[in-house]
Amino acid sequence: DAGITQSPRHKVTETGTPVTLRCHQTENHRYMYWYRQDPGHGLRLIHYSYGVKDTDKGEVSDGYSVSRSKTEDFLLTLESATSSQTSVYFCAIRDSTYEQYFGPGTRLTVT
Amino acid sequence: GEDVEQSLFLSVREGDSSVINCTYTDSSSTYLYWYKQEPGAGLQLLTYIFSNMDMKQDQRLTVLLNKKDKHLSLRIADTQTGDSAIYFCAERGDDYKLSFGAGTTVTVRA
Repeated sequence: DAGITQSPRHKVTETGTPVTLRCHQTENHRYMYWYRQDPGHGLRLIHYSYGVKDTDKGEVSDGYSVSRSKTEDFLLTLESATSSQTSVYFCAIRDSTYEQYFGPGTRLTVT
Repeated sequence: GEDVEQSLFLSVREGDSSVINCTYTDSSSTYLYWYKQEPGAGLQLLTYIFSNMDMKQDQRLTVLLNKKDKHLSLRIADTQTGDSAIYFCAERGDDYKLSFGAGTTVTVRA
């Protein structure tokens, strides 16, 4: 257990509404990641952070933004949710041995 | 970018061995990983192998790496019902980012 929690765990929202997902870690790791998981695609990296206020894009960043104002929290925002963003979202941290450990996930449904 | 491929499904009888295969394309990958995802849960790091190794054994798990063919496999000995899950292969590139396969759903039947 790498001390990672995600909230909410489940969310249903309507197309066009903003949504923010939160990832919280308790072990002061510098690197944090947001992935989405879709059938047939495995996990794809959306954005990642390498420190407070330091973030960068992953391979599927369009339609998403992130913020990291504190070491322990990494927020993922969908400014205007679309049905194609229905997915399971996972947060991960990278520890000092470069291994990544994952949170329990957030299931998001956009109707 | 990198591309990791896995077969999507595997059905195995309880007590038999399971073999899950993966191919990757990034020859500069330093580490290759196997993650396990149980229903409704996040990914759990099962094991990994460094690129200069051919084999790694960890209790019931054996990882084989054929670097020439860019082929990775995970063997689970004496498969149990608790091994039913999705197994993801992932490669780590030079930038420490992971690229994942689509996952292999393993079903253990009695």
